[in-house]
Amino acid sequence: QSALTQPPSASGSPGQSVTISCTGTSSDVGFYDYVSWYQQHPGKAPKLMIYEVTRRPSGVPDRFSGSKSGNTASLTVSGLQAEDEANYYCSSYAGNNNLLFGGGTKLTVL
Amino acid sequence: EELLEESGGGSVQPGGSLRLSCAAAGFTFSDFELNWVRQAPGKGLEWISFINKGGTDVFYADSVKGRFTISRDDAKNSLYLQMNSLKFDDTAVYFCARESALLWTPGYGMDVWGQGTTVTVSS
Repeated sequence: QSALTQPPSASGSPGQSVTISCTGTSSDVGFYDYVSWYQQHPGKAPKLMIYEVTRRPSGVPDRFSGSKSGNTASLTVSGLQAEDEANYYCSSYAGNNNLLFGGGTKLTVL
Repeated sequence: EELLEESGGGSVQPGGSLRLSCAAAGFTFSDFELNWVRQAPGKGLEWISFINKGGTDVFYADSVKGRFTISRDDAKNSLYLQMNSLKFDDTAVYFCARESALLWTPGYGMDVWGQGTTVTVSS
């Protein structure tokens, strides 16, 4: 199976909102509500930001929100802050005990 | 603090073997499912293996199936990845990561990650 499709880059100014998409198929994102989003700063381990499409782990600011429509999941970051600049990866359960990641999106805070 | 720490990475020739370890601390290791995820230089994340609570079910990505073996020792709070028949494409940072809840398959959401250990396959 192919990786999920994310835009390679996204950007926004401080205080603005930005949305990152994650497109899969009817066999993964479109079928299962097991979509997660991870934030990764250069040289660091990934950090779970969203799980089960919309749920936030404790400690993750409510500026981060997730949604899904059809075969596309989205991560929205509201009130952009400088520390939000990072790479973001989506993942989705794809059936048959397989997990797919997206190619990643580099978020730049202008 | 809940921690995972990988070790065992290094440089190996194509066709060689390595065994990675992941030591856990700060939580009841035996209660959780675990994954190995890798990241090639400058590339994205790739899930490669999962083991359930109890170690009775293991799953692999096609890219490593038949070459890699995941295992766990709950008495030692440790996760392992035996990597055989290594290829150039296996060069990556390897992370161990904990599933945040039981799903009996990968994908619920990985809430604790190690810092990674680097594997380089080179002749």
